[in-house]
Amino acid sequence: AQSVTQLDSHVSVSEGTPVLLRCNYSSSYSPSLFWYVQHPNKGLQLLLKYTSAATLVKGINGFEAEFKKSETSFHLTKPSAHMSDAAEYFCVLTGGGNKLTFGTGTQLKVEL
Amino acid sequence: ETGVTQTPRHLVMGMTNKKSLKCEQHLGHNAMYWYKQSAKKPLELMFVYNFKEQTENNSVPSRFSPECPNSSHLFLHLHTLQPEDSALYLCASSQMAGSLTGGIGNTIYFGEGSWLTVV
Repeated sequence: AQSVTQLDSHVSVSEGTPVLLRCNYSSSYSPSLFWYVQHPNKGLQLLLKYTSAATLVKGINGFEAEFKKSETSFHLTKPSAHMSDAAEYFCVLTGGGNKLTFGTGTQLKVEL
Repeated sequence: ETGVTQTPRHLVMGMTNKKSLKCEQHLGHNAMYWYKQSAKKPLELMFVYNFKEQTENNSVPSRFSPECPNSSHLFLHLHTLQPEDSALYLCASSQMAGSLTGGIGNTIYFGEGSWLTVV
């Protein structure tokens, strides 16, 4: 069995401050982990993915995530938030097979 | 543009209507998926097709009927839906290895979704 837990359903930051969206996972297999972003009325866009290469993964729009096996975590960070980052973010896990397990999402709000 | 195109983007239908959602991928992938996204719920996998064959049906009611005529096209036929079926329906595609190798790490690309409202 595998699962993904996004620890915060809502995160609010000021523009220009760092972003941290937390994700913990559980998997019996060597996991592949993804972060997707969904802007209002849009589909899911891939931000970045980890597939057992470098543990620090850089994605689009200045986002990055670090895979920490000892902590079973894959938190998403960005040094400086922008208004356009306001969206919902999903942490996603694949283990055996190509079936994705989605977290419940974190709504990021960016304030002026 | 993700290479996965869904039409229509918005659909309103009555409970006795029959309609279809269409998905087309231009990525050369061999696996396609339907997901349902309802408010305040995690994404739900509905169906998976590999090389045009259905490999997963996640206990979806028969009022949803998928069709995959080739690896690039996927349909979701809708009939006698209920108001609780109103949701965003997302199509996705990926490369899919065989079940033993699992396709681990293959990225799934999503379309922009079809908003369905059942009245």
